[in-house]
Amino acid sequence: DAKTTQPPSMDCAEGRAANLPCNHSTISGNEYVYWYRQIHSQGPQYIIHGLKNNETNEMASLIITEDRKSSTLILPHATLRDTAVYYCIVRVRSGGGADGLTFGKGTHLIIQP
Amino acid sequence: DTEVTQTPKHLVMGMTNKKSLKCEQHMGHRAMYWYKQKAKKPPELMFVYSYEKLSINESVPSRFSPECPNSSLLNLHLHALQPEDSALYLCASSQDGQTSVKETQYFGPGTRLLVL
Repeated sequence: DAKTTQPPSMDCAEGRAANLPCNHSTISGNEYVYWYRQIHSQGPQYIIHGLKNNETNEMASLIITEDRKSSTLILPHATLRDTAVYYCIVRVRSGGGADGLTFGKGTHLIIQP
Repeated sequence: DTEVTQTPKHLVMGMTNKKSLKCEQHMGHRAMYWYKQKAKKPPELMFVYSYEKLSINESVPSRFSPECPNSSLLNLHLHALQPEDSALYLCASSQDGQTSVKETQYFGPGTRLLVL
């Protein structure tokens, strides 16, 4: 799976949009971009994933650049409960069997009141 | 129900003890996972079970012994652990890993293990 690079930490004011970047310059054509987050003392939680089109769900939006070498996770109206470590993971979606997630160091997002 | 449960929440054990961690899901998932997370580090994959068979072992020491007695249950048997094995042990499940459609891994809250 391709390696990802994320800033170690970010701050965002409550109520504002939080934009979390991720670089994945070695991504290949069959690799998806996944985002998970881990709130303190909890298990990781799936947020969103995409291949090349922008995606939106009830939690967040995912913007993937046209060359697919980077992406941005957007939390449109951040709340204090969004304070967590956010992991960007690139992985192949194949039918070859179950495989685990390879977590990088992630971005510690701190929402300020 | 998208819940993965893990018991116990906390466990303290000596280096000569034998203990087991349990994980359960009732989502009909056929892939289950064990991860280990040290303090201030990301989770690291230990084992993957697919259709109750061990499919991936990430070179985990034999003092960790996984078991999948049925499609809903996953155990991790612990024996002769070392203090450096103290960590948060996370269980996850996913649909089956065999398809190309969206497949989310659902994580439990973890068992926090302290080895004395």
